[in-house]
Amino acid sequence: GEDVEQSLFLSVREGDSSVINCTYTDSSSTYLYWYKQEPGAGLQLLTYIFSNMDMKQDQRLTVLLNKKDKHLSLRIADTQTGDSAIYFCAESQEGYGGSQGNLIFGKGTKLSVKP
Amino acid sequence: KAGVTQTPRYLIKTRGQQVTLSCSPISGHRSVSWYQQTPGQGLQFLFEYFSETQRNKGNFPGRFSGRQFSNSRSEMNVSTLELGDSALYLCASSLGQGNEKLLFGSGTQLSVL
Repeated sequence: GEDVEQSLFLSVREGDSSVINCTYTDSSSTYLYWYKQEPGAGLQLLTYIFSNMDMKQDQRLTVLLNKKDKHLSLRIADTQTGDSAIYFCAESQEGYGGSQGNLIFGKGTKLSVKP
Repeated sequence: KAGVTQTPRYLIKTRGQQVTLSCSPISGHRSVSWYQQTPGQGLQFLFEYFSETQRNKGNFPGRFSGRQFSNSRSEMNVSTLELGDSALYLCASSLGQGNEKLLFGSGTQLSVL
């Protein structure tokens, strides 16, 4: 069945780079997403990548996709204390009528940034 | 542009009651998806509505239902509440045309006592 795996915790020092990894199982996934959740808040879309891309960069964020190994990573450059949050990886499941509204989420990686 | 709006922000109910949650999508978005988030199970897909029709459904019992109105606003209803229904309920909206940038609201925190 579909499954998305992430490590649960990551701790880095302010100014370092953070790399959060994710593996997924459904090779037919069309989009892969990274969301950020701060305490008591909803999910903030950070970035997403179409499955025919290898890499996407957006300011401090770099997403790498290895479709052969079904591995997705999110690199945050120059990590700040404000980046402390839970990061969720998600894959889309194409449904009826081309719907992509059904996302399969990992359990989330809690990123702690130490000053 | 206003984001995805969910009301109410917090709800406290007792077992056996029913509850209705509301979600207003981003203007122009026609798809609304609902998710349940719990510490144990994480984020799980409930259902998706597009143009007032349920287009996808997750593995939840029939006590969980939803609908979408002609202005794309959506409601979800949970009947005969159980303690295990305590969760953060999130809705996400998107254009619904396969593009898909899913944007989430802040959620409704439901506590069942």
